[in-house]
Amino acid sequence: GENVEQHPSTLSVQEGDSAVIKCTYSDSASNYFPWYKQELGKGPQLIIDIRSNVGEKKDQRIAVTLNKTAKHFSLHITETQPEDSAVYFCAAGLTGGGNKLTFGTGTQLKVEL
Amino acid sequence: DVKVTQSSRYLVKRTGEKVFLECVQDMDHENMFWYRQDPGLGLRLIYFSYDVKMKEKGDIPEGYSVSREKKERFSLILESASTNQTSMYLCASRISTGQGTYEQYFGPGTRLTVT
Repeated sequence: GENVEQHPSTLSVQEGDSAVIKCTYSDSASNYFPWYKQELGKGPQLIIDIRSNVGEKKDQRIAVTLNKTAKHFSLHITETQPEDSAVYFCAAGLTGGGNKLTFGTGTQLKVEL
Repeated sequence: DVKVTQSSRYLVKRTGEKVFLECVQDMDHENMFWYRQDPGLGLRLIYFSYDVKMKEKGDIPEGYSVSREKKERFSLILESASTNQTSMYLCASRISTGQGTYEQYFGPGTRLTVT
């Protein structure tokens, strides 16, 4: 089955700096790679996703890059703000109904003033 | 807005008790999922359901069962709770047709403590 590794487990940055979280996956068949943000006391929420036919995707201050050959993908947050402080999860899986995702172990991001 | 609700935010049960965790979604989603979240282990899939009365084991199904009698409701059952089942339990739902989105919508979670 799929195995997803996520690093680092904790990340502390100064407000305004960039943050990068990296994930690797094992199953070359995986073609869908979402990122979820979990704020304290809430369930995870999708912030951005990418499919294997795309190498990069941006949405305002967040971007995701995918290297299919190396089987790794990364989340980039620029101009970090205190409200970016949360736990971030990467995941990998297949598109299509009925397919499951495999999640990484999470990264606790803290943006310090 | 999609809403996924879970019956309890906090639950304390004794070892050996039968525990029911309920999840309800209001968006007519075919797929529903149960995860447990533990520090350092991320989200691990317990069971999922493609549709009503259908279920599939996830990565850690031992000690759990599920029930999906209605499309909007997916129940997780701990037949005989044990202390190693103390965890945060998250329910999620997702539309199956894949019309450009595979987003899973999560509930707020139930923190279960087994003593």
